[in-house]
Amino acid sequence: QAGLTQPPSVSKGLRQTATLTCTGNSNIVGNQGAAWLQQHQGHPPKLLSYRNNNRPSGISERFSASRSGNTASLTITGLQPEDEADYYCSAWDSSLSAWVFGGGTKLTVL
Amino acid sequence: QVQLVQSGAEVKKPGASVKVSCKASGYTFTSYDINWVRQATGQGLEWMGWMNPNSGNTGYAQKFQGRVTITRNTSISTAYMELSSLRSEDTAVYYCARRGLLTGDLDYWGQGTLVTVSS
Repeated sequence: QAGLTQPPSVSKGLRQTATLTCTGNSNIVGNQGAAWLQQHQGHPPKLLSYRNNNRPSGISERFSASRSGNTASLTITGLQPEDEADYYCSAWDSSLSAWVFGGGTKLTVL
Repeated sequence: QVQLVQSGAEVKKPGASVKVSCKASGYTFTSYDINWVRQATGQGLEWMGWMNPNSGNTGYAQKFQGRVTITRNTSISTAYMELSSLRSEDTAVYYCARRGLLTGDLDYWGQGTLVTVSS
């Protein structure tokens, strides 16, 4: 039931940079951007970035979000083993009056 | 610090109902909307609905209309999500999440409650 589209998996090496993408229509991502959530196996999601691309307090500067047109991106620099997790984008779809999520991207750090 | 603490795991039979609680602390409960999101094993996140704890106003995903009810008890800063007519496909971890005031994003999440539907 993904309202947003994310690649299922991304693999990068230790200390490399990974860029995860999230594509939606102009009414959603194009209008408001997308928030990013990180979820480790067996744990609840954790907010990494607001829809305005700012980071909540306590989130590492290695995580940065941006938007271009209808695509939101999350860039993670200096990849660490603990960055291996599932990453979801989310946004409010005003036409549905509902939160929508991407299907998630599994990031593997090699 | 903001915390959302959910009730424990449940096992239910098909056709039954389940009610999951979410106790908030560390902030003014009535000032922030509570949302409910579920996640089946190995699957993605699925939004179910929201509630304004101050007014009691709610909104539900079309998929769950008629089966889900979100309520609250402001005296104990607790939100509830009740799902009825359970089927095996409802087996999932259910999360409550607070919607932040400034950005409107889901900024704090409960630890999750596993609901298993099995005969």
